[in-house]
Amino acid sequence: DAKTTQPTSMDCAEGRAANLPCNHSTISGNEYVYWYRQIHSQGPQYIIHGLKNNETNEMASLIITEDRKSSTLILPHATLRDTAVYYCIVRANYGGATNKLIFGTGTLLAVQP
Amino acid sequence: GAVVSQHPSRVICKSGTSVKIECRSLDFQATTMFWYRQFPKQSLMLMATSNEGSKATYEQGVEKDKFLINHASLTLSTLTVTSAHPEDSSFYICSAPDRGRGNTIYFGEGSWLTVV
Repeated sequence: DAKTTQPTSMDCAEGRAANLPCNHSTISGNEYVYWYRQIHSQGPQYIIHGLKNNETNEMASLIITEDRKSSTLILPHATLRDTAVYYCIVRANYGGATNKLIFGTGTLLAVQP
Repeated sequence: GAVVSQHPSRVICKSGTSVKIECRSLDFQATTMFWYRQFPKQSLMLMATSNEGSKATYEQGVEKDKFLINHASLTLSTLTVTSAHPEDSSFYICSAPDRGRGNTIYFGEGSWLTVV
């Protein structure tokens, strides 16, 4: 079973920041928070991941609370092409088959013109 | 660019026949690959873990004799849907962790299977 909970759907105006929350209250000390998104009829796309520090890359920023029980993915300037289902997943990061990704239902982000 | 690639992207087959889907890691070696299935408007469901040089590990409820997985090399895993039925029609997606990129898992483009 997925170890995260996310809102089913969210709307965001084009050009504004999209803030997608995720709760992972049972996260273990060796588990990272990963974010992926899936645009319709495509394979999931990796966005970002983090352990406990906030992270930023060219796609997004990830804010993780100090107790690590929740996080927020931030798309700073959403565009229509960011409309997708966003998945928050916790996963241990060592090599091997046990660190598979288990998907929940994700958040459908609809960017409105 | 893509680091994991699948082929074919779309395939139509007749009931009772078998169809093979390939998953390749393009610029890294993968001793492990994962296969998922996704039905319309649903999330991804993990089917099995493909292990290079050994048998695949199947998730509960997935028939290993129906979904044959072969991980013949460090860059190639194949999923064969045997004796396909219309209910096997789905979006099949593979993924693999890249040790060179911090074990981040990357996904292929997916393969649409339609059984008629």
